[in-house]
Amino acid sequence: DQQVKQNSPSLSVQEGRISILNCDYTNSMFDYFLWYKKYPAEGPTFLISISSIKDKNEDGRFTVFLNKSAKHLSLHIVPSQPGDSAVYFCAASYTGTASKLTFGTGTRLQVTL
Amino acid sequence: SAVISQKPSRDICQRGTSLTIQCQVDSQVTMMFWYRQQPGQSLTLIATANQGSEATYESGFVIDKFPISRPNLTFSTLTVSNLSPEDSSIYLCSVEWTGGAFYGYTFGSGTRLTVV
Repeated sequence: DQQVKQNSPSLSVQEGRISILNCDYTNSMFDYFLWYKKYPAEGPTFLISISSIKDKNEDGRFTVFLNKSAKHLSLHIVPSQPGDSAVYFCAASYTGTASKLTFGTGTRLQVTL
Repeated sequence: SAVISQKPSRDICQRGTSLTIQCQVDSQVTMMFWYRQQPGQSLTLIATANQGSEATYESGFVIDKFPISRPNLTFSTLTVSNLSPEDSSIYLCSVEWTGGAFYGYTFGSGTRLTVV
């Protein structure tokens, strides 16, 4: 049972444009969500997070939106840069589970020149 | 956030042997987490390691196959035992960090295991 889903395995965006990566979850007990970026041969790097009490969190070029009623979150990257090309994972956790993360399947973003 | 040194970065092992992966953290942490990423798949939690107690394993993972050591608050090892080709994966350790209203998890650089 995949509780966190990223339905787009890949995405290609032109440099300077907006990249939108989507994530859906099924477990309504999740109350904290994170986005990670992963390059080959490296561990995941934390990008941004959001608590369920908010619907938006912004950090520089990265903004995460949370729609609790739809159980959907998205990561916006504006403007996209070639260095953003990587695999992006969304992850979710909920209070009381010893901080365990449940990851999505990942979306490979390619930013083209 | 904490810095994690994980080694080895990669290894090729014969089936039936074992591989021990080490993670060293630059600060004391209560819990360390071990994940596995099988080829083309997401990260899956193997177990949570607390210092001074036995690790807590997720469904589908057992101590005999994935014994974990946590001798102090900055170090942990994961052993993958009796290797088979199905164990070929990336293994990662992780620790939690907190920063004001937010928290997150830092990951080691991963160990790419290939079983032949």
